Amino acid sequence: QQPVQSPQAVILREGEDAVINCSSSKALYSVHWYRQKHGEAPVFLMILLKGGEQKGHDKISASFNEKKQQSSLYLTASQLSYSGTYFCGTETNAGNMLTFGGGTRLMVKP
Amino acid sequence: GAGVSQTPSNKVTEKGKYVELRCDPISGHTALYWYRQSLGQGPEFLIYFQGTGAADDSGLPNDRFFAVRPEGSVSTLKIQRTERGDSAVYLCASRWQLNTEAFFGQGTRLTVV
Repeated sequence: QQPVQSPQAVILREGEDAVINCSSSKALYSVHWYRQKHGEAPVFLMILLKGGEQKGHDKISASFNEKKQQSSLYLTASQLSYSGTYFCGTETNAGNMLTFGGGTRLMVKP
Repeated sequence: GAGVSQTPSNKVTEKGKYVELRCDPISGHTALYWYRQSLGQGPEFLIYFQGTGAADDSGLPNDRFFAVRPEGSVSTLKIQRTERGDSAVYLCASRWQLNTEAFFGQGTRLTVV
């Protein structure tokens, strides 16, 4: 069963912050975050493992709340290059299957 | 190769025809995934291989879809009696093991006319 992402779309001005949420009805083993630009393949951002991890690089970070089966991606001081569609992918304890949410379309304007 | 390679990049076929889509994963990656992505949607899971065996094929929509990975490397997704609703971008991804990054290919855009 695929995870649910919210919001479906976000429009920002350069320099503004955004939060993208991902939730699952199943117990999660890990959460993956990817960004896809139009006509291109999804590109990996980060993986978070169960245990309540937080990760970040540059101005993009994420948290994983294992108990709530939720993850959030934080984009701070957004840049034009952040535009694209963000997908969370989840793995349950059941195995290696990696399923993706419907995506959050992010547009950063000058 | 340096990345996941998918061929062809574009395929136009007539309704009812048979098509094969190829995925060449990163060398050494044991897990290989096929997804289907329609415009504005997330990647929809189809099937995943661990080595040569299909570990989970629960996402294949019906028996017209089949995939193989005979030597644990290259995989082929086969679609019989194609329908217009099969039109989408078919993405392949591979990774070394659980909890590691999945690398995606550029996809095959299938158009059934």
